[in-house]
Amino acid sequence: GQNIDQPTEMTATEGAIVQINCTYQTSGFNGLFWYQQHAGEAPTFLSYNVLDGLEEKGRFSSFLSRSKGYSYLLLKELQMKDSASYLCAVSDNQGGKLIFGQGTELSVKP
Amino acid sequence: EAQVTQNPRYLITVTGKKLTVTCSQNMNHEYMSWYRQDPGLGLRQIYYSMNVEVTDKGDVPEGYKVSRKEKRNFPLILESPSPNQTSLYFCASSFPGQGIYEQYFGPGTRLTVT
Repeated sequence: GQNIDQPTEMTATEGAIVQINCTYQTSGFNGLFWYQQHAGEAPTFLSYNVLDGLEEKGRFSSFLSRSKGYSYLLLKELQMKDSASYLCAVSDNQGGKLIFGQGTELSVKP
Repeated sequence: EAQVTQNPRYLITVTGKKLTVTCSQNMNHEYMSWYRQDPGLGLRQIYYSMNVEVTDKGDVPEGYKVSRKEKRNFPLILESPSPNQTSLYFCASSFPGQGIYEQYFGPGTRLTVT
């Protein structure tokens, strides 16, 4: 079956680094996405990985290992505004089907 | 301004009364999709469309219909809403170039069915 797992909640301190993990089992693989969603708002795109390795974009980096079915999102120099839900999603075919994990609620404390 | 719009933003209705939630994008995107978001279940895809007149089921299509007669519009139809369709609904669009699906989400529609 199709399954994407993420921790439900995480807490970190302002200025620190946090890593949010995502493991997946899908029938196919055509890319992995990370989205950020603040409470009451729409998700916004953070990153996309289709090949193994690390993609860096400012304070945010995303890593993918296709052989392990594993990804992580790394947030550096945490700010209070980074408190949000982080959604991992996998595209499992060449078409438009997208499967989301339940999301990880990140709380950044002063 | 490039955006995805949804209407209405909030809707309270009764069981069995047909309703339509509209979605429109002004970015000339080929790909559009509908999701519902429920506590503890995350975002689940209802239907998606790769282009005009091309639609396909996501993970939870039961009780919903869609149509894609124009590129910019992708309405979600609930023919006979039931209380278990109470949820937060998001429409999204993307230009699927080279298999990359960076989706732009609408602001959401909060639906309550009593």
